[in-house]
Amino acid sequence: SAVISQKPSRDICQRGTSLTIQCQVDSQVTMMFWYRQQPGQSLTLIATANQGSEATYESGFVIDKFPISRPNLTFSTLTVSNMSPEDSSIYLCSVDGTSGSGYEQYFGPGTRLTVT
Amino acid sequence: GESVGLHLPTLSVQEGDNSIINCAYSNSASDYFIWYKQESGKGPQFIIDIRSNMDKRQGQRVTVLLNKTVKHLSLQIAATQPGDSAVYFCAIRDDYKLSFGAGTTVTVRA
Repeated sequence: SAVISQKPSRDICQRGTSLTIQCQVDSQVTMMFWYRQQPGQSLTLIATANQGSEATYESGFVIDKFPISRPNLTFSTLTVSNMSPEDSSIYLCSVDGTSGSGYEQYFGPGTRLTVT
Repeated sequence: GESVGLHLPTLSVQEGDNSIINCAYSNSASDYFIWYKQESGKGPQFIIDIRSNMDKRQGQRVTVLLNKTVKHLSLQIAATQPGDSAVYFCAIRDDYKLSFGAGTTVTVRA
């Protein structure tokens, strides 16, 4: 299994500012994933980050708004830029592991962001 | 992307009873299904998974059933305990991407 930590665990930010969220994994992994969970909603994949290459963004998410860094095999950051109240969500990072049938994706505890 | 839905957003169950959580999906080509549990303030936690070449798989107190004919997935929790109170998500894995359903909030009554 993988142990994932995220910083900060929560933050309250003013609109127009940016916040960088850190994700640290206790083992080396090829792919790291960033998800958004809006209040009371399900999880939506923002992007996939591979070490040494540009992140791959899902439809509806763009690099200018959510720049991602992946400097090594255990760490990634997600920046939420020029924030608005609509960005208030939980942001989660995850990594792949293995399960009995295939793959198990491990999730960090999340960063709860409130934009005022 | 894959469309994944759940039948009921909330479920209240008496402690000790069995819980059944349902999920429907739209793509008949989907072949890898996963159930996650998310407790308040935490990230989702893997419960159990199933491939499309199976119709049933059992874990500790949990059973996942897959009906490919009607594109329906269910999670059964035996002898529900207070620690089972959480939001449960079904998800479909396509390559490395997960598509999550809307979630069912399970509340266990003492």
